Amino acid sequence: QVQLQESGPGLVKPSETLSLTCTVSGDSISSFYWSWIRQPPGKGLEWIGSIYYSGSTNYNPSLKSRVTISLDTSKNQFSLKLASVTAADTAVYYCARGPWGWFYFDYWGQGTLVTVSS
Amino acid sequence: EIVLTQSPGTLSLSPGERATLSCRASQSITSSYLAWYQQKPGRPPRLLIYGASSRATGIPDRFSGSGSGTDFTLSISRLEPEDSAVYYCQQYNNSPWTFGQGTKVEIK
Repeated sequence: QVQLQESGPGLVKPSETLSLTCTVSGDSISSFYWSWIRQPPGKGLEWIGSIYYSGSTNYNPSLKSRVTISLDTSKNQFSLKLASVTAADTAVYYCARGPWGWFYFDYWGQGTLVTVSS
Repeated sequence: EIVLTQSPGTLSLSPGERATLSCRASQSITSSYLAWYQQKPGRPPRLLIYGASSRATGIPDRFSGSGSGTDFTLSISRLEPEDSAVYYCQQYNNSPWTFGQGTKVEIK
């Protein structure tokens, strides 16, 4: 059974960089398509970006200038960095898997709340 | 960017009734690259339907998807109390992948 688990600080100061890691178990990260999605409190879902097992990336243009997603195949992890955060970046951040060749999300982590505040 | 508009905002129905949720796209979604998710409070979204009409693994056949082009529907026949949730559609036809704003289904 595939499992994904987000980890990282729950509180980030404005203008700093948000950093999260997703650890994948039950499957190799050297396949499929791995994504970050966020959900502000009480609101809907926003796709942040994705990385293929090959290392190529695809980002939401609305966040592209601030986002970096990377893979660490040795640890079976992938990571998100979001720079220059503001209060508008406060959200539950989910990592998710997409099946090979498709861009929907069949497995999700439990999510982690990141609050941007001084 | 493809904008997805879901309706109604909230649906309040009794157990055993049928729910019909709509997702309308701002431009045609070719090859029916549309998915539906169910989200309960404090939980991640759960994939229900992909390819507009294919049920994900383990999803009861009470859930069905249909539609093409710009108009898609999620139907839940014989509503059960555990179906109370917010339902989102998502298109994966054109990047950026986008979600609808959600429909809340309440069970009376």
